Amino acid sequence: QVQLQESGPGLVKPSETLSLTCTVSGGSNSSDFYYWSWIRQPAGKGLEWIGRIYIRGSTNYNPSLKSRVTISVDTSKNQVSLKLSSVTAADTAVYYCARGWAFDIWGQGTMVTVSS
Amino acid sequence: QSALTQPASVSGSPGQSITISCTGTHSDVGGYNYVSWYQQHPGKAPKLMIYDVSNRPSGVSNRFSGSKSDNTASLTISGLQAADEADYYCSSYTRSSTLVFGGGTKLTVL
Repeated sequence: QVQLQESGPGLVKPSETLSLTCTVSGGSNSSDFYYWSWIRQPAGKGLEWIGRIYIRGSTNYNPSLKSRVTISVDTSKNQVSLKLSSVTAADTAVYYCARGWAFDIWGQGTMVTVSS
Repeated sequence: QSALTQPASVSGSPGQSITISCTGTHSDVGGYNYVSWYQQHPGKAPKLMIYDVSNRPSGVSNRFSGSKSDNTASLTISGLQAADEADYYCSSYTRSSTLVFGGGTKLTVL
């Protein structure tokens, strides 16, 4: 059973960089699927697509976040990473990683709070 | 990019059918057959219910169906059950090679 697990600091200070990792386990490798995405959801609000990485290295980002986002993949570790720089309170949310072009499998999500 | 437009809420009684709409533009919903639908129960991660407009992943009940007409996609749930009460989100591929979600619809089973 394929599982995705997000991990990283639950608290980040304003203006710093948020860094999260999504680890793939249970029979699927990060190199098996073409796309891996990051999606976030502020408390009580809707889903926001952050961006995705194509297994051959190209990326697509939400235009509203593009200047601050970097998504990368380490196939040797079966991990997909997210970096979001210059964070503010508006970046406080549950962050999910998801597999494929249609997000057929999701991680459980990790809560990140931006606060001093 | 602008979020796709969904009704904030819909409701129905057990056994009835409901439809949730998802309206975009010719640059997203209307331009591609890459519309997906997700179900999200409180405190849980979203679950894929429909992909590529009308395809159901293995394990998803055939009570869930999807369709599209011009710039509007729709999710229909027939034989409504209490367990269907959840938030539903649509998403679409866009001309800019990005993805965009709808604002979400809260389904209440009366």
